[in-house]
Amino acid sequence: GQQVMQIPQYQHVQEGEDFTTYCNSSTTLSNIQWYKQRPGGHPVFLIQLVKSGEVKKQKRLTFQFGEAKKNSSLHITATQTTDVGTYFCAGHSYSGAGSYQLTFGKGTKLSVIP
Amino acid sequence: SAVISQKPSRDICQRGTSLTIQCQVDSQVTMMFWYRQQPGQSLTLIATANQGSEATYESGFVIDKFPISRPNLTFSTLTVSNMSPEDSSIYLCSVERETGVEGYTFGSGTRLTVV
Repeated sequence: GQQVMQIPQYQHVQEGEDFTTYCNSSTTLSNIQWYKQRPGGHPVFLIQLVKSGEVKKQKRLTFQFGEAKKNSSLHITATQTTDVGTYFCAGHSYSGAGSYQLTFGKGTKLSVIP
Repeated sequence: SAVISQKPSRDICQRGTSLTIQCQVDSQVTMMFWYRQQPGQSLTLIATANQGSEATYESGFVIDKFPISRPNLTFSTLTVSNMSPEDSSIYLCSVERETGVEGYTFGSGTRLTVV
């Protein structure tokens, strides 16, 4: 079945440093989604990328989708303590019988040292 | 976007017993998804629940262990049956944020501890 790998598993940064997490799928994706889960919370949708080579920005967050639609990255510029949490990528692919399936990466847990 | 009310938020259960988790959505949705998230781990899809039909289970999950009900378009339950400590986990339900809108909304989760 589809596998989504995500690295690194953990990242500790000083406040103000940049942060990047990378995601790689074993199969071509229909789209890729990114979620943030704060400690003790539930995943919250951040963004979806659909097109090959697509780049989207949300303030200090930049999301990229690879040309082959198999990899993606999330880059945070000048991290803040409010960025703390686990960032998950989730590959969206057709699973047959008219339905789609979301497969989550293992997540990157970001710690920001003030 | 859709809002999900999930309960209970947490429970401590004896091994061998069962727990039923409920998710109520504030709008009608075709599909509801049930996930398991073990501590510090990723989300694993248990099953997809469509109203009026049997749930579709992912590899490694069976109906006898995780029976699901979907009586209408706004409600679903997941039961964790004959629990063992290995079932200790967070269970979450999820739906599309809104028809035609990208992304999914998650319930707040049920933190289950089996002793």
